[in-house]
This record gives sequence, C-alpha cells and structure tokens, in this order.
Amino acid sequence: GAVVSQHPSRVICKSGTSVKIECRSLDFQATTMFWYRQFPKQSLMLMATSNEGSKATYEQGVEKDKFLINHASLTLSTLTVTSAHPEDSSFYICSADTGASGNTIYFGEGSWLTVV
Amino acid sequence: AQTVTQSQPEMSVQEAETVTLSCTYDTSESDYYLFWYKQPPSRQMILVIRQEAYKQQNATENRFSVNFQKAAKSFSLKISDSQLGDAAMYFCAYREDTGTASKLTFGTGTRLQVTL
Repeated sequence: GAVVSQHPSRVICKSGTSVKIECRSLDFQATTMFWYRQFPKQSLMLMATSNEGSKATYEQGVEKDKFLINHASLTLSTLTVTSAHPEDSSFYICSADTGASGNTIYFGEGSWLTVV
Repeated sequence: AQTVTQSQPEMSVQEAETVTLSCTYDTSESDYYLFWYKQPPSRQMILVIRQEAYKQQNATENRFSVNFQKAAKSFSLKISDSQLGDAAMYFCAYREDTGTASKLTFGTGTRLQVTL
C-alpha cells in the first residue's frame, strides 16, 4: 500500500512551547491530508482537513490558532501545537488519500505528544 | 450527518475460531465506501478491507470478509481462523464518494482479544 510517514514518533515538550509534527506522503502526491487526535481507549477524532496551497478546514471545537496546519507542498503537511499545555498531550495521527481507485485513506504511524 | 455505530466494545475469540464484529451506519447517500481498520498496540492504523457501496458482492481479503447489507446499513467483519496477531482495536469507517477531500467517519471501535 501507499506510504505515509510521520515525524517525530514521540516528542516531549515543556508547557508553553510549540511543537511541530510532520506528515509526508512518500510515494504519492496528496492534495488533501487529514489530522486526527486520539485519546486513550477512544476512537480517532478528526481535527482538520489540510488542503495544499490553501487554508485548512477545522472541525467544530478545534482551536485553529492553537493547532496550526500548513500544507505547503503536495507531499508535506505540518501540525504545530502552539503554547502547548499538558491537556494537549495525546496521540496525533495524519492520513492522506492517494487519489487512486478505491478511495482509500492511508495513515501515518502517529506521534505521541507529551507536554510537561 | 453520517454516523457509524459499533455496538461491541470488546470481543474475544479462541485461536483458529471465527469471530464477527458488527457495524451499522447511517447515511442518506447512495454512493459511499466502507472500511475496516485495525489498530494494534503500536497504534498504526492498518487497512483490513474495503467495500464499495455500489458493489453487491461482499469484499474478501484472505481470512477477512464482510457481510454488507446496504438496505439494513450494516457492515460486519468476519475473521476466520483467528490468529494471535489479530488481537487489536478494530474500527469501522464510512466515507462519502466525493473525492480525495472526503473525510472518514469512524465508529467507536471494538477491542478484539484472541485467546489460546
């Protein structure tokens, strides 16, 4: 299947600082990528849809000024958690559609964020 | 809005036996896709099987098969000859057939245990 890579897989940051997570499509171009957050023992919650060359579309209740999304190229989207707080600690995972037949979305490996 | 319901928070199956995970969904659309994703302890989301709504034939992938009942809006996953490596969270997901920007809607997940 298609490959989506996320980096870093784990990150620890101090409260009040910002942290960036990268999502790359390695063998295809992705005009759209998706960012999810997953709390322990829960399902994936869509945070925003990242659109190449334009602003991201945020889901209701997600603070766009806190979770900055940039999709500067067809293979890279970034999620920046600004002024991080301990409650932002979570598992963040990105995904992308290859655009091939079957309409299948592939996921990155995910990133564990711990804010101390 | 579309919703996906997984009514079994946990299921258990003995190795080599067969287990069925349930999923129902609600939509007013006629064209859409349904997926089952597996999330092992590593948290990587792995595509298990995909079904196009316009296809009457149930999808199969080796030991995994689905029972797709479009009128009943039901999409269950059958795992045959269960293996220890099948132990994971399983998420049912729905996606409209509107292109690469169409998002996935997930169910709450079913945790599958495989016992010896």
